[in-house]
Amino acid sequence: GAVVSQHPSRVICKSGTSVKIECRSLDFQATTMFWYRQFPKQSLMLMATSNEGSKATYEQGVEKDKFLINHASLTLSTLTVTSAHPEDSSFYICSGQGSGKTQYFGPGTRLLVL
Amino acid sequence: AQTVTQSQPEMSVQEAETVTLSCTYDTSESDYYLFWYKQPPSRQMILVIRQEAYKQQNATENRFSVNFQKAAKSFSLKISDSQLGDAAMYFCAYRSGYPDMRFGAGTRLTVKP
Repeated sequence: GAVVSQHPSRVICKSGTSVKIECRSLDFQATTMFWYRQFPKQSLMLMATSNEGSKATYEQGVEKDKFLINHASLTLSTLTVTSAHPEDSSFYICSGQGSGKTQYFGPGTRLLVL
Repeated sequence: AQTVTQSQPEMSVQEAETVTLSCTYDTSESDYYLFWYKQPPSRQMILVIRQEAYKQQNATENRFSVNFQKAAKSFSLKISDSQLGDAAMYFCAYRSGYPDMRFGAGTRLTVKP
């Protein structure tokens, strides 16, 4: 199957700082990328959908000014958590979708805000 | 709105035995896709199997097979000859023409040696 990478896998930061998470599709072109958030023992919650070269579409309740998403190329999307606070601590997962109907997921990034 | 329901928060199976995980969904669409993803302790989401709604034949991938009942909007996953490595959270997912997927709440599968 297709491979999606995420970097970093784990990040710890101080409250008030910004954190950038990268998501790359390694062997396919992801025309659409998705960002999810997963709380412990819960399902994935879609945060936003982005198409290459376009502005991301955010789900209701997700602050677009806090979670900045850039999808500058067909293989790279970034999520920047701006002015992070402890309540932003979570597991963030990206996925990419090419021409098919299947999403391929990255390994996730664990964010801890102190 | 489309919803996906997994009514079994936890399931347990003996190694080498067979287990079936349930999933139902609600939709008014006629063309859609269904998926089962596995999330082991590493938390990497792994595609287990997918089913196109227009296909009547149930999808099969080695020890994994589905029972797709379109009229009943049911999509169960059967794992045969269960292995210790099958222990994980299993998520059922649905998507139609709109690209994003809807996930169920998940079923935690434990495999007993």
